[in-house]
Amino acid sequence: NAGVMQNPRHLVRRRGQEARLRCSPMKGHSHVYWYRQLPEEGLKFMVYLQKENIIDESGMPKERFSAEFPKEGPSILRIQQVVRGDSAAYFCASSLYQGNEQFFGPGTRLTVL
Amino acid sequence: GENVEQHPSTLSVQEGDSAVIKCTYSDSASNYFPWYKQELGKRPQLIIDIRSNVGEKKDQRIAVTLNKTAKHFSLHITETQPEDSAVYFCAAISISSASKIIFGSGTRLSIRP
Repeated sequence: NAGVMQNPRHLVRRRGQEARLRCSPMKGHSHVYWYRQLPEEGLKFMVYLQKENIIDESGMPKERFSAEFPKEGPSILRIQQVVRGDSAAYFCASSLYQGNEQFFGPGTRLTVL
Repeated sequence: GENVEQHPSTLSVQEGDSAVIKCTYSDSASNYFPWYKQELGKRPQLIIDIRSNVGEKKDQRIAVTLNKTAKHFSLHITETQPEDSAVYFCAAISISSASKIIFGSGTRLSIRP
């Protein structure tokens, strides 16, 4: 049973480009969460999605960031016009039910040059 | 808003001694308290959790206590070993806030040989 998968594991972008981060939850999990971890800091909640629905996006910047979890395929976190301050590790997690243990993926480390 | 405070930020203990990390939370609706261990460059791994209807839980060398009245919870690691060196995060989840994890700022634990 594969765990949470994320790709790419490392992503380098120049300022102004777009970054697309993918997350495939554990089999059977329909709840996906995205977190951002700046260097030497803790993880900060960004967005919570269920299939085709955004449940809570209170932690996501209003501009340049968007997330989706389509009926088929992985969840996507999209960052448009990246800036240096977007450099961080982005982790997604999935759970079977709301309020259950969340299992984390290996993360995508985004570097903006 | 929801907040989890964690201390100390760094902790160094002699191998074989005990380590204690303390956290407080602000949201009285929080009902699930996981603890994560994160090694350098790796994903957070759940090591133990406790729900609000339980005051204490133990798993081999690791124990967690919860004081709901004071909104305090603590992680205790006994007989520490070199492989316990990592960053530890406490966290709180409230079903009323869509089950997003609110993380503490982390404790960097170092075990001295």
